[in-house]
Amino acid sequence: EADIYQTPRYLVIGTGKKITLECSQTMGHDKMYWYQQDPGMELHLIHYSYGVNSTEKGDLSSESTVSRIRTEHFPLTLESARPSHTSQYLCASSDPGGNFEQYFGPGTRLTVT
Amino acid sequence: GDSVTQMEGPVTLSEEAFLTINCTYTATGYPSLFWYVQYPGEGLQLLLKATKADDKGSNKGFEATYRKETTSFHLEKGSVQVSDSAVYFCALRGSGGSARQLTFGSGTQLTVLP
Repeated sequence: EADIYQTPRYLVIGTGKKITLECSQTMGHDKMYWYQQDPGMELHLIHYSYGVNSTEKGDLSSESTVSRIRTEHFPLTLESARPSHTSQYLCASSDPGGNFEQYFGPGTRLTVT
Repeated sequence: GDSVTQMEGPVTLSEEAFLTINCTYTATGYPSLFWYVQYPGEGLQLLLKATKADDKGSNKGFEATYRKETTSFHLEKGSVQVSDSAVYFCALRGSGGSARQLTFGSGTQLTVLP
């Protein structure tokens, strides 16, 4: 069973608010990822990190930012939330071994009103 | 670049029916292939994987065979259950520069009716 956690699970906020979505893993994985999942279910990689102080933007442009100060923690921040940010956000980390399995958290469903 | 094409959904089956979800890929070299499953309200879980040609991944009655000649990794199950209702994602990990990430298909929603 994967040990990767996301909080909150559900969040409803008003436009213009700053929010941080938390993601933590206890497996010691160096690689971590944030995906945005649209209502059509497709996953879009928005950020990834290969270790402490390493962050990169993914395939889908996002107004969010991330930080990686500790190996186990990879928070995502929206400085000013908008209705277009309404989505499901999934955090994942990957096995450092050759099989590259990714372990996913349960997700945060964000609604911006 | 690498890409994964999945069978369009949604798919609706009766319990005990045979399931096939098609997945084809485009990648250079020798990618590793995966099927992930997402149950309602949850994150994705690895269902099975195959790392080289002709490998068969299997788990929970699901199977998929890595076919390099047809660049396919179709998911099959002989007799589905209501509890198999979920979204299924095919994914690949490329080789070389594209080995650092997974490329996912668009997902296929499966509903199994009692």
